[in-house]
Amino acid sequence: SAVISQKPSRDICQRGTSLTIQCQVDSQVTMMFWYRQQPGQSLTLIATANQGSEATYESGFVIDKFPISRPNLTFSTLTVSNMSPEDSSIYLCSVESGGSGTDTQYFGPGTRLTVL
Amino acid sequence: EDQVTQSPEALRLQEGESSSLNCSYTVSGLRGLFWYRQDPGKGPEFLFTLYSAGEEKEKERLKATLTKKESFLHITAPKPEDSATYLCAVQAGGAQKLVFGQGTRLTINP
Repeated sequence: SAVISQKPSRDICQRGTSLTIQCQVDSQVTMMFWYRQQPGQSLTLIATANQGSEATYESGFVIDKFPISRPNLTFSTLTVSNMSPEDSSIYLCSVESGGSGTDTQYFGPGTRLTVL
Repeated sequence: EDQVTQSPEALRLQEGESSSLNCSYTVSGLRGLFWYRQDPGKGPEFLFTLYSAGEEKEKERLKATLTKKESFLHITAPKPEDSATYLCAVQAGGAQKLVFGQGTRLTINP
């Protein structure tokens, strides 16, 4: 399975500012995914990021609010723009890896964001 | 729309008391059903993938089973370290995304 790291692990931000979250993988992967986990809730997919193409966003998420970069096969960033308290969540990146014989998604440790 | 429902929301057991967690799903064209374990403040940890009805997977005290409508995660003689939230997710149709249930928060008392 892939080893995934995220930076920062947590942050406290002021309303109206932006935060960029980094996701680094120890191997080259085609697809990377960004999920949001709101307090007490389960995971919801924000977007899928393929290297060399524009990210694909799920219903309810837009590029202006959550711009994503995917400069190479081991790295991606998610920016949370113009933040409000409703953006307080855990943000997780995942990658699809066939290491266990399937296209299983493995998750990073998450970034816990609090917006004041 | 693909839907995943987990029950119960929370379950408290005594150490050694076996039980099962349920994951019911409604999808168009199931490609895979996934079980994850999530500890507080951490990302989900992959446990199992099931692909077709009748399939079973085991790992230590955990066994996952799959039917055409639901999956069960059986926990045999659990220990306090099995305490966590267990998440079920499905991958369906041509999509790569995972659709998650709300999770079952499991507490094992010593």
